[in-house]
Amino acid sequence: QVQLQESGPGLVKPSETLSLTCSVSGDSISNSNWGWTRQPPGKGLEWIGIIFDSGKTNYNPSLESRVSISVDTSKNQFALRLTSVTAADTAVYYCARGARWSDYWGQGTLVSVSS
Amino acid sequence: QSALTQPASVSGSPGQSITISCAGASSDIGFYNSVSWYQQHPGKAPKLMIYEVTDRPSGVSNRFSGSMSGNTASLTISGLQAEDEADYYCASYTTTRTRVFGTGTKVTV
Repeated sequence: QVQLQESGPGLVKPSETLSLTCSVSGDSISNSNWGWTRQPPGKGLEWIGIIFDSGKTNYNPSLESRVSISVDTSKNQFALRLTSVTAADTAVYYCARGARWSDYWGQGTLVSVSS
Repeated sequence: QSALTQPASVSGSPGQSITISCAGASSDIGFYNSVSWYQQHPGKAPKLMIYEVTDRPSGVSNRFSGSMSGNTASLTISGLQAEDEADYYCASYTTTRTRVFGTGTKVTV
């Protein structure tokens, strides 16, 4: 059974960098595509980006200038970095497996941007 | 990329069938046969219900079915049950190998 678990700070100050990690069990990080999606409180899902098994990345054009996704194969983890955050980046952040669709999701972690 | 368009809410009585539409463009729904649907209960992570327009993951009830015509995809829930009350999101792969979600539909039973 594939399981994903997000971890990282729950509070980030405006203009700083949001960093989250997703730990994967039950699948090798090298064998699949992995991505991030977020959901502001009371709003819909927003796709953030994907890292393919090739190592190539694609991002939501609206976030592309601030976002990066990377993998750490030694720890079977992948990570999200979002720079220059504002209150609009407050959301539940989900990690998930898959590019064309996502079949396994983490439980989500709430990140609030506030001073 | 613009979000796919879904109705804000759909309601039905137990046992009835409902259909949720998801309107996109030729650069997403109309280009790839890669539409997926997700069910989300309050405070929970999304759950994959349909992928590749019509396929159901193992364990998902056959009361859920997907279809597509042109740039619009649809999710039909037949034999509506109380447990089906949730938010539903469509999503599509795009020509730039990104993904776009729908605006979301609240289903009330």
